Amino acid sequence: AQSVSQHNHHVILSEAASLELGCNYSYGGTVNLFWYVQYPGQHLQLLLKYFSGDPLVKGIKGFEAEFIKSKFSFNLRKPSVQWSDTAEYFCAVTAGSSASKIIFGSGTRLSIRP
Amino acid sequence: DVKVTQSSRYLVKRTGEKVFLECVQDMDHENMFWYRQDPGLGLRLIYFSYDVKMKEKGDIPEGYSVSREKKERFSLILESASTNQTSMYLCASSSKTDSNTEAFFGQGTRLTVV
Repeated sequence: AQSVSQHNHHVILSEAASLELGCNYSYGGTVNLFWYVQYPGQHLQLLLKYFSGDPLVKGIKGFEAEFIKSKFSFNLRKPSVQWSDTAEYFCAVTAGSSASKIIFGSGTRLSIRP
Repeated sequence: DVKVTQSSRYLVKRTGEKVFLECVQDMDHENMFWYRQDPGLGLRLIYFSYDVKMKEKGDIPEGYSVSREKKERFSLILESASTNQTSMYLCASSSKTDSNTEAFFGQGTRLTVV
């Protein structure tokens, strides 16, 4: 069965610090990978996604993620965080077929000190 | 603009009541999902549907059932609500014909069972 692990439950950073949030998945076949963000009081929205091609993908608001197939990882990065990045971040995976369930990790709460 | 609409933002129900959570999407998506979101546990898949009248169990289906009579509508049913079903419930939809697209989420329904 597919599963997604996010090892950091709560990360606290100061503004301008660099960010890396870990995500590992377990599934042997072709996968589509996503990072979603949930700002306080808002619904989940997509940050970025990977399905094929360049393993380094860029998303909105300066976020990027790198797919490393050999490590089953899809870590999220941002070189310099802002207070407005305070949110919960979820990694998700679907198998590479059309009628696939989407499995989420447990989420990482990011708090940015102004 | 993609829209996934959940019928209620907040619900309070009594133990033992039958509870219906409704979700409607306007993107003609084939796939629809119900998740519950709990602190520290992320989003856990309850059920998903990949076509009208088709459904598959997710990771935590016990105590829940679903109905998909029309493509745009996916209902979650708590047959006999219990206090451990107090949670935030999220509905999502995605395209089956384009497996590379992300899921779109509703605002969520915060259910409290007393």
